[in-house]
Amino acid sequence: EVQLVQSGAEVKKPGESLKISCKGSGYSFTSHWIGWVRQMPGKGLEWMGIIYPGDSDTRYSPSFQGQVTISADKSISTAYLQWSSLKASDTAMYYCATLITGNTFDIWGQGTMVSVSS
Amino acid sequence: QSALTQPASVSGSPGQSITISCTGTSSDVGSYNLVSWYQQHPGKAPKVMIYEGTKRPSGVSNRFSGSKSGNTASLTISGLQAEDEADYYCCSYAGSSTWVFGGGTKLTVL
Repeated sequence: EVQLVQSGAEVKKPGESLKISCKGSGYSFTSHWIGWVRQMPGKGLEWMGIIYPGDSDTRYSPSFQGQVTISADKSISTAYLQWSSLKASDTAMYYCATLITGNTFDIWGQGTMVSVSS
Repeated sequence: QSALTQPASVSGSPGQSITISCTGTSSDVGSYNLVSWYQQHPGKAPKVMIYEGTKRPSGVSNRFSGSKSGNTASLTISGLQAEDEADYYCCSYAGSSTWVFGGGTKLTVL
């Protein structure tokens, strides 16, 4: 079964760093792009960026460029989303999703809730 | 890279048909036949209902269909059912391995 399993919920303070993960299984991890999507409380989906684990080619939405870092460790089939200094406005659900069949995000992780508050 | 434009809400009665529009630009929707539609129920991850503009993944009801004209893509749901009540998002490829979502549409089944 193709699946993405994300790390658990996080509660952090402003200014702290954070790295959340997304582990793929059941498919060739290095051959499919993995993207990250933000959903702020009560709001819509926002595409943040994407990485190709095979060569670590990474693209970012202009809205998130410089705000987050996307990476991947192909040896353990895991993609990451990290922040160096969190803000309260980073409070959101974060989903990873991969393109397996066609040019669409057809497999999604269960989401990681990040809460940032002093 | 601006978000695609969707109506905030649509509604319909059981058995009726509804259409949700998704307007982009010549840089995204208008340039590629790579629009997807996602359904999201509260507290759940999104689920793809239509991809590459008109294709339905295995297991998705044929009551869901997609189309495109110029810079606007559309999702039509026929024979509305109570279970269709959810948020719907369009998403388009925007070139150079980047993507953009629409703002989302809340579908209410009356």
